[in-house]
Amino acid sequence: EAQVTQNPRYLITVTGKKLTVTCSQNMNHEYMSWYRQDPGLGLRQIYYSMNVEVTDKGDVPEGYKVSRKEKRNFPLILESPSPNQTSLYFCASSALRGANTGELFFGEGSRLTVL
Amino acid sequence: RKEVEQDPGPFNVPEGATVAFNCTYSNSASQSFFWYRQDCRKEPKLLMSVYSSGNEDGRFTAQLNRASQYISLLIRDSKLSDSATYLCVVNGMKAGYALNFGKGTSLLVTP
Repeated sequence: EAQVTQNPRYLITVTGKKLTVTCSQNMNHEYMSWYRQDPGLGLRQIYYSMNVEVTDKGDVPEGYKVSRKEKRNFPLILESPSPNQTSLYFCASSALRGANTGELFFGEGSRLTVL
Repeated sequence: RKEVEQDPGPFNVPEGATVAFNCTYSNSASQSFFWYRQDCRKEPKLLMSVYSSGNEDGRFTAQLNRASQYISLLIRDSKLSDSATYLCVVNGMKAGYALNFGKGTSLLVTP
């Protein structure tokens, strides 16, 4: 089954304690991206990757890091989480088709609370 | 002006009703347009792409008006299961193939 898998799905942590949210896709997609979704603000892109070892900032990258060492994995790293990073996080992937992104497939989301 | 704007609703409609959502986008160079559906606390899923000539998928019809930079979604014969948030999504042509998401329009279909 084609899917994007995120872990953990739910996490409560404390300020400053490093954490990683993993994301893996089994569709051989080149493009992967992280979004956060907050009430009233919609989905905002954090980081994206066009392929292995190619990553770049989205609209709200502050406080986050990513890596793309393998095509299937795109972890999101919060080195020193703060309460304003409490949010619902989605990983997504897509095949690249010329200048246009194809359909984005989303993971089920990771709800993070930073105390 | 925000890149993608939608009326947040909520739209409360009875079963069987026809409901239409509108969306405007700011980048006239945008090339790709989509409607996604998001159920409460779930991931967004593609509902349909929007083509220049308009397209239909069962009870759902999407229209694009490039001159007015306007996209619409029409749902006929609403079902209870149509209750969800509908996200208008536009490829903004910025780096990273980023899709610009509207904040969504909430639909509640009641018995």
